[in-house]
Amino acid sequence: SAVISQKPSRDICQRGTSLTIQCQVDSQVTMMFWYRQQPGQSLTLIATANQGSEATYESGFVIDKFPISRPNLTFSTLTVSNMSPEDSSIYLCSVEVHSVTFNEQFFGPGTRLTVL
Amino acid sequence: KQEVTQIPAALSVPEGENLVLNCSFTDSAIYNLQWFRQDPGKGLTSLLLIQSSQREQTSGRLNASLDKSSGRSTLYIAASQPGDSATYLCALGGGADGLTFGKGTHLIIQP
Repeated sequence: SAVISQKPSRDICQRGTSLTIQCQVDSQVTMMFWYRQQPGQSLTLIATANQGSEATYESGFVIDKFPISRPNLTFSTLTVSNMSPEDSSIYLCSVEVHSVTFNEQFFGPGTRLTVL
Repeated sequence: KQEVTQIPAALSVPEGENLVLNCSFTDSAIYNLQWFRQDPGKGLTSLLLIQSSQREQTSGRLNASLDKSSGRSTLYIAASQPGDSATYLCALGGGADGLTFGKGTHLIIQP
């Protein structure tokens, strides 16, 4: 398994500002993922962040809006840029842990963002 | 594109009952299927993972099955308890593509 922490746990931000969310894992992992959960909705993958390469974004998400850093195998950041109320969501990071027989994803506690 | 549907969207049952949550998916070429629970204001807890080659997994009072040919998975909860109250999410995928989630089943167990 993996223990994942996120900072901040929640924030209230003004329209037009940016927020950087940090994700820390207790072990080295190759793949890290960022998801968004809008109010009343399920999780949607924003991007995959692998150390040493550019993040891969899903359809509907762009680097200018959601820049991601992955400086090492235990840490990643997601920035939500030029925020609007529509960005109010829970943002979660996850990692994939590999065993001999299977790969399993574990999630951080999430960052609850409210944009006014 | 994989689509995941969970039925019912919400369920309320008295304590002690056995119950089944359903998950259906459109693309049977899956890597893994995971069941998670999400508690209000918290992240996701992985409950069970079924690999593509497996038919079911069990953990305590939980049993998850996978039928790729019909595009279905079920999560069986035996002898439900109030502590089981949460949102249960079914997710498929794995690897570099991440997971595709259903919208979840909001479960309430009445004491």
